[in-house]
Amino acid sequence: DAKTTQPPSMDCAEGRAANLPCNHSTISGNEYVYWYRQIHSQGPQYIIHGLKNNETNEMASLIITEDRKSSTLILPHATLRDTAVYYCIVRVAAGNQFYFGTGTSLTVIP
Amino acid sequence: DAGITQSPRHKVTETGTPVTLRCHQTENHRYMYWYRQDPGHGLRLIHYSYGVKDTDKGEVSDGYSVSRSKTEDFLLTLESATSSQTSVYFCAIREPGQGTEAFFGQGTRLTVV
Repeated sequence: DAKTTQPPSMDCAEGRAANLPCNHSTISGNEYVYWYRQIHSQGPQYIIHGLKNNETNEMASLIITEDRKSSTLILPHATLRDTAVYYCIVRVAAGNQFYFGTGTSLTVIP
Repeated sequence: DAGITQSPRHKVTETGTPVTLRCHQTENHRYMYWYRQDPGHGLRLIHYSYGVKDTDKGEVSDGYSVSRSKTEDFLLTLESATSSQTSVYFCAIREPGQGTEAFFGQGTRLTVV
């Protein structure tokens, strides 16, 4: 019962910024938005999360709209190693559960 | 890998046999989760634990049971394995709190023949 909507696939040229969108129109006021990625069949890797404000770390930036109904993960300079499936997740606060959707398959093209 | 060890990493078993997968953590995190991943479905939550002997069902719990007798270990049991349980299983851990992230193990690939 995923609470987020993402495009199934995207391409990005190497060295360019990759902008991955996510819709979460039913998000509650205290629910965080998390981003993970999965490379090949490895375990999902944490990227970033946020509540209301935009966030940045060494991997990526997270832009959350003012109404919190959507967000964008930005990889500023995509490399071939960023080719992966990216998951946008809204954490269900009451149950402390993470529900994954099917994510966006990002392919970085040389 | 954030101190998470899943065992075994690969297993082939026959239909009808019991199977137990183990998740071991060295981080002393309170919450632990079991997910399965199948093509076209992303990761789906099977069961989770919010403390020793405290567990609850996720979205695909039928045919699975779990136990947590110690903080560091979370066991997933298939009482009688079926071919539909062929999947990759991931364990995750997390500290309580609104803005804490989950860390995932490297997965166990289970094949039921």
